[in-house]
Amino acid sequence: SLVLTQPPSVSVAPGMPAGITCGGDNIGDKSVHWYQQKAGQAPTLVIYDDAERPSGIPERFSGSNSANTATLTISRVEAGDEADYYCQVFDTYSDHYVFGGGTKLTVL
Amino acid sequence: QVNLVESGGAVVQPGGSLRLSCVASGFAFNNYGLNWVRQAPGKGLEWVAVLSNDGTSQHITDSVKGRFTVSRDNSMDTLYLLLTSLRPEDTAVYYCARDWEGGSLDYWGRGTQVIVSS
Repeated sequence: SLVLTQPPSVSVAPGMPAGITCGGDNIGDKSVHWYQQKAGQAPTLVIYDDAERPSGIPERFSGSNSANTATLTISRVEAGDEADYYCQVFDTYSDHYVFGGGTKLTVL
Repeated sequence: QVNLVESGGAVVQPGGSLRLSCVASGFAFNNYGLNWVRQAPGKGLEWVAVLSNDGTSQHITDSVKGRFTVSRDNSMDTLYLLLTSLRPEDTAVYYCARDWEGGSLDYWGRGTQVIVSS
């Protein structure tokens, strides 16, 4: 079954860019979605279909996907971006939804 | 605006049963598939189940297959999750979430807490 691998943590200084990766076999052939979950809150969709932003999500959030790695990039990180981030795909082989293990973004 | 509100969470003994509800508003309920996603304490997100807009197609994760059942009542704009033969490892916050583009989940409820403990 499909497994999505994320780094457990990423730390970045305010104003600097942050990249969070999501690895999986041939993930570049799938649509990857990203969620932000702040402490004590429900997840929020921040990127869908690899690189699309839902209404209301700042342009600082962007995504890319190629080969075996998808990446969520936050340009000019702010303190309010501190959260857990999860990647997710729909596995058409199993008709199951698959989440990565999550990455905790710490703003220094 | 789109709103999803879960309820029904409780403390239940191992082997017990529970029915969770998710009441939707702000969109055409019968046009969307809906999911249950859970999160154990201090852990990541785990997809549990999806049910198609008309209730005819469902998929359930292997770890709960045969124990959990997903259903919906489109006349009541409500999604359900019946949990049976509960185990301590089923302890989690259970979220409902709406299906969207490419298999993404665009709206989520605030979740309902299930604790399985003797």
